[in-house]
Amino acid sequence: EPEVTQTPSHQVTQMGQEVILRCVPISNHLYFYWYRQILGQKVEFLVSFYNNEISEKSEIFDDQFSVERPDGSNFTLKIRSTKLEDSAMYFCASSGGASNQPQHFGDGTRLSIL
Amino acid sequence: GENVEQHPSTLSVQEGDSAVIKCTYSDSASNYFPWYKQELGKRPQLIIDIRSNVGEKKDQRIAVTLNKTAKHFSLHITETQPEDSAVYFCAPKTDSWGKLQFGAGTQVVVTP
Repeated sequence: EPEVTQTPSHQVTQMGQEVILRCVPISNHLYFYWYRQILGQKVEFLVSFYNNEISEKSEIFDDQFSVERPDGSNFTLKIRSTKLEDSAMYFCASSGGASNQPQHFGDGTRLSIL
Repeated sequence: GENVEQHPSTLSVQEGDSAVIKCTYSDSASNYFPWYKQELGKRPQLIIDIRSNVGEKKDQRIAVTLNKTAKHFSLHITETQPEDSAVYFCAPKTDSWGKLQFGAGTQVVVTP
């Protein structure tokens, strides 16, 4: 069964540094998402992406965050200047083109800011 | 925006018993109602979903029921097994291609 893949599985970064999280969505999917989950809390929506542009973003997704689909397979989340409170698990998800298709999640990247 | 509440927050059941988790949402435009299971340190995994034109859906030991009038939907697990122990999230959606709005989760513990 096709899967969403994310790299790296764990990223440790100094506060203030830039970090890029990478995702390869399922190949025929058209909608892409980033969510985050602070340890012990619920999953929170960050941003959705379709047709090479952002469809929707949450208030968490401020100017320090950006997303990109640099080629036909990768979908990246960049945090420009990381803060301690950015420490979380970041999940990428993708879904197909028809309405109300399931969103399939990757295994996540655990981001630790020191 | 959508307000999503799950009850209970924790649920302890004996192996073989049934478990029921209820999710209440506020936006009457919600049209897609999934349940995700998350084991410790793992990804949220879709276990069952239902669309707004259906009242109930069953998949082996798992079922979801939807009451659109009352704006809630429930996850039912029958004949629980230790491997059902996990956190379960409801995540209703209003926009057909939009974000999932996760509830706070229900920690289910199945004791042998």
